[in-house]
Amino acid sequence: QVQLVQSGAEVKKTGASVRLSCKASGYIFTWYYMHWVRQAPGQGLEWMGIIYPGNDYISYAQKFQGRVTMTRDTSTATVYMDVRNLRSEDTAVYYCVRADNQYFDLWGQGTLVTVSS
Amino acid sequence: DIVLTQTPLSSPVTLGKPASISCRSSQSLEHSDGNTYLSWLHQRPGLPPRLLIYQISNRFSGVPDRFSGSGAGTDFTLEISRVEAGDVGIYYCMQATDFPRTFGQGTKVEI
Repeated sequence: QVQLVQSGAEVKKTGASVRLSCKASGYIFTWYYMHWVRQAPGQGLEWMGIIYPGNDYISYAQKFQGRVTMTRDTSTATVYMDVRNLRSEDTAVYYCVRADNQYFDLWGQGTLVTVSS
Repeated sequence: DIVLTQTPLSSPVTLGKPASISCRSSQSLEHSDGNTYLSWLHQRPGLPPRLLIYQISNRFSGVPDRFSGSGAGTDFTLEISRVEAGDVGIYYCMQATDFPRTFGQGTKVEI
């Protein structure tokens, strides 16, 4: 079925890096934009950036420029997000989200990243 | 960045009664292509958000017609005609007219 399956929970030390993955299935991977959104514990939703698997177009929220890298592998229909220099404020659930004509119609289950010293 | 302000932030509701959430944008959400990319999402505890309404008033697949969206420009409303127990959770408005995509702060709906 149509779904996004994300990688498992991560626990990292301050200053470390993490790679999150999001595997798409049930639809044509290169036809839809993919976004990353995060949610700190008890907080709202924060947009991080967008990648278009069809041509590798990428755009990041200014807040994350230089610290986040989004990539895709069309052979496995997977998008990745690397976050470097982790700090405690990066503790959050990270979601990949498919966009269909600008609306977020399909969400991954989320990956909890916990950052501690 | 476009700022979305939701009111109220918390809404106690009564089963079977209507409920309404407002979302006000810091600037018009009408895109140059003529569309207005304002969506509503619903999040239950421990789950990812799910899409309810897109482009102001279009119900997403499987969303009951108890949910309706309206508005234009900078002012938008989500209405639930008759609240059911499964409607509890947090509702977010979201704009996709411009980058960065932004969300309202969320409105917690509880019985």
